[in-house]
Amino acid sequence: FMLTQPHSVSESPGNTVIISCTRSSGSIASSYVQWYQQRPGSSPTTVIYEDKQRPSGVPERFSGSIDSSSNSASLTISGLKAEDEADYYCQSYHRNNHVFGGGTKVTVL
Amino acid sequence: QLQLQESGPGQVKPSETLSLTCTVSGDSISSYSHYWGWIRQPPGKGLEWIGNIYYSGSTFYNPSLNSRVTMSVDTSKNQFSLRLSSVTAADTAAYYCARHLYNWNLPSHFDPWGQGILVTVSS
Repeated sequence: FMLTQPHSVSESPGNTVIISCTRSSGSIASSYVQWYQQRPGSSPTTVIYEDKQRPSGVPERFSGSIDSSSNSASLTISGLKAEDEADYYCQSYHRNNHVFGGGTKVTVL
Repeated sequence: QLQLQESGPGQVKPSETLSLTCTVSGDSISSYSHYWGWIRQPPGKGLEWIGNIYYSGSTFYNPSLNSRVTMSVDTSKNQFSLRLSSVTAADTAAYYCARHLYNWNLPSHFDPWGQGILVTVSS
């Protein structure tokens, strides 16, 4: 299966961005979805795991959700800050095969 | 604090075998609730999962790479390794190792990640 993300999104500071991650086959609800943030020159770090859980140290501005009707997951970043400018990847699995989405570049205008 | 560090050659010739090692510090690689994984990222592109290994040596690989990938673990050194055979320019990428957490036997997230190592396939 594949996970499809928009290539890029842009928004002004203080506003909200929503990044979608659509699963091509199989139910989005059948496997946990994770979201990773990757700043330029750095390794990815987890911002959301198990669909909607937020690791300690990640601001409450980051939230995750699942929508079975569209078979997609979403990462919402509210109160956008300059430091949120980065690439974001969703990730899920089917049996023992783990798949990443193509990534979304978030630009803070 | 758990840390992972990749090591190995930064350049490999086409048709040869890429070999990398990940050294784990701050936790035992024999932890029963974790797997250990390799993920790669071609320059300017997205992430691709390569495979996972358990401390017992049990492995599972990305189906698209399965025929060329071998992973192994050395619990005495707290290390795990990746071998990718018959490399081409398409295998040029930053290679990351990471702990793969599981929750009640269900895969969760990769955390933490190593700093990554850039491997270039070139003659």
